[in-house]
Formats: sequence, C-alpha cells, structure tokens
Amino acid sequence: SQTIHQWPATLVQPVGSPLSLECTVEGTSNPNLYWYRQAAGRGLQLLFYSVGIGQISSEVPQNLSASRPQDRQFILSSKKLLLSDSGFYLCAWGDTRGQPQHFGDGTRLSIL
Amino acid sequence: AQTVTQSQPEMSVQEAETVTLSCTYDTSESDYYLFWYKQPPSRQMILVIRQEAYKQQNATENRFSVNFQKAAKSFSLKISDSQLGDAAMYFCAYNAGNMLTFGGGTRLMVKP
Repeated sequence: SQTIHQWPATLVQPVGSPLSLECTVEGTSNPNLYWYRQAAGRGLQLLFYSVGIGQISSEVPQNLSASRPQDRQFILSSKKLLLSDSGFYLCAWGDTRGQPQHFGDGTRLSIL
Repeated sequence: AQTVTQSQPEMSVQEAETVTLSCTYDTSESDYYLFWYKQPPSRQMILVIRQEAYKQQNATENRFSVNFQKAAKSFSLKISDSQLGDAAMYFCAYNAGNMLTFGGGTRLMVKP
C-alpha cells in the first residue's frame, strides 16, 4: 500500500533562517506531488506541484521554492524565512486524474 | 478558473442528528470529480467521499452521503447519526486535471 511521510512535524525557526521540509512517498511510482499551505482556520492554498522529476510548477509567487530530486521525494525550501511564512504545510500525492489526493500529516511552522 | 465556495463557516449539530454541509462550485468543464475531506483537530486530511460528475447516482459511504446537483453546480454533504468524532473542519474540493481546488471549509461542532 502507498504511504506518505512528511517531516518534521513541528518546526520553530527565526526570521531570516533557511528552511527545508521533506516529503517522501512509498508504494507508487511517478506520482504527482503537491505542497499546500494552510493558515489557521482557513482552507488549503496550493503552493507547488510536480508531475515528474525536476518538473515544478508554482501557483503563487512567494519566498519559497520546491524541488523534486527523486521520483518520490518532494522538498520545500526557503533561503530566508519571513514572518508571513508561518503556517501549516501539507504534502500530498496523487496519480490518476479523478482519484483523491492523499496527504501527509503536515508540518507546523512557526517563525519567530 | 474553477472556484469552490462553502458558504457556512460554522455549523453545529446535536449528537445522533443529521446535518448538511453546503458546497457550490463554478466550472465550464463537463467531466470532473468532487470530494469531501475531513480535517480533525490533528489536522490530518482524511478523504470522506468522492463523486464523479458523469454519475447521476449520489455517492454514499456509511453515514455520509452527498446530494450532487450538476446543473446547479451544488455538492452538499449529509452526515447522518452524527457522532462526537465527526467534529472537524470539512473541505469540499473540485478536480478536473492534476490539481484540487478547495473551498474555504466548514467547521462542524457536535453537541453531546
């Protein structure tokens, strides 16, 4: 069966520090991969998605970037975090159109 | 662009009773998919139910069912025999390609 792992679960970082959140999927090949951000009490905002290695599409301009160095690995990064980067970040994978996306457990990011 | 609207920021229901959460969407596509996701306080995203737009029959999963009105672009979720564990944020989502478009969510409270 397929599983998705996302870490860390919680992260507290100072303003201006770098960021690296990692997501890996097991049990499937060539998945579509997604990074979402969720502000407290709000809906999900799609940040990036990838349909293959090295292929990244950005949905909103921002301080963040994403990379997909391997088929089942998706990384969310920043060189210098801003206060506005605080939030809950979710990684997800999907395959066939029309099938549901499956989500990781999320990372709660606090910027001080 | 597709949009998904959940007009009820909060709903409450008495335990064992029935509640209906509303969702409308805007699209020019004829072939698409709709989902309801549940997000409990743990913030995991859990798939509740899925509906294909080409199917007239409303999807059902145990106590959860939908009322899909394609012409009206409406996709409501009915929860029967509500349980305390149903308390969560509920998100409606639309899919016609590689991406999901989410509504803003409805917070459901269940009163004992």
